[in-house]
Amino acid sequence: GNSVTQMEGPVTLSEEAFLTINCTYTATGYPSLFWYVQYPGEGLQLLLKATKADDKGSNKGFEATYRKETTSFHLEKGSVQVSDSAVYFCALSDQNSGYSTLTFGKGTMLLVSP
Amino acid sequence: DVKVTQSSRYLVKRTGEKVFLECVQDMDHENMFWYRQDPGLGLRLIYFSYDVKMKEKGDIPEGYSVSREKKERFSLILESASTNQTSMYLCASSLGTSGILEQYFGPGTRLTVT
Repeated sequence: GNSVTQMEGPVTLSEEAFLTINCTYTATGYPSLFWYVQYPGEGLQLLLKATKADDKGSNKGFEATYRKETTSFHLEKGSVQVSDSAVYFCALSDQNSGYSTLTFGKGTMLLVSP
Repeated sequence: DVKVTQSSRYLVKRTGEKVFLECVQDMDHENMFWYRQDPGLGLRLIYFSYDVKMKEKGDIPEGYSVSREKKERFSLILESASTNQTSMYLCASSLGTSGILEQYFGPGTRLTVT
């Protein structure tokens, strides 16, 4: 079946550092890929998405490129802020049996210190 | 903006009680989902529904049931709550139109079963 693997956290960075959170996937067909963010005490929010190979999703300074050849969708940000501290989830669309569901990674906690 | 609301942010129930978790979305979405979120396990799909009165089992349906009598409302039912059902429960919805796969999440209900 489909699966998503994320780097384990927590990732601890100082403010203004460069961020990479790795995400690789296993899937049949051509899934869409997503990054969600969960701030403390809240539900998940869609951060960005990409629907086909070589697409780049971007939002709030975060970027991720859909790499089919390496089955990856790594999240990057050039300069993190304390307010970026959250848990980040990589996900892929799953359309087995005609229903559209999402398969999530286990999440990566990011802690940014001033 | 899509809004997904859940009936309670925090809930404490006793072992053996019947528990209802309610979720409402206001954007006429076809699909609705219930997940549980546990540390180290990420999000796991319990049940989903792609239409009124329709339901499909997710990855961990045991011990749960669902009800969808109206398009905007999706209920998760714990027939006889047990301590291993202590968790964060997240509801989500998605449009259901082919190609639009992202899900929108509610704030979550943290359930404690004692």
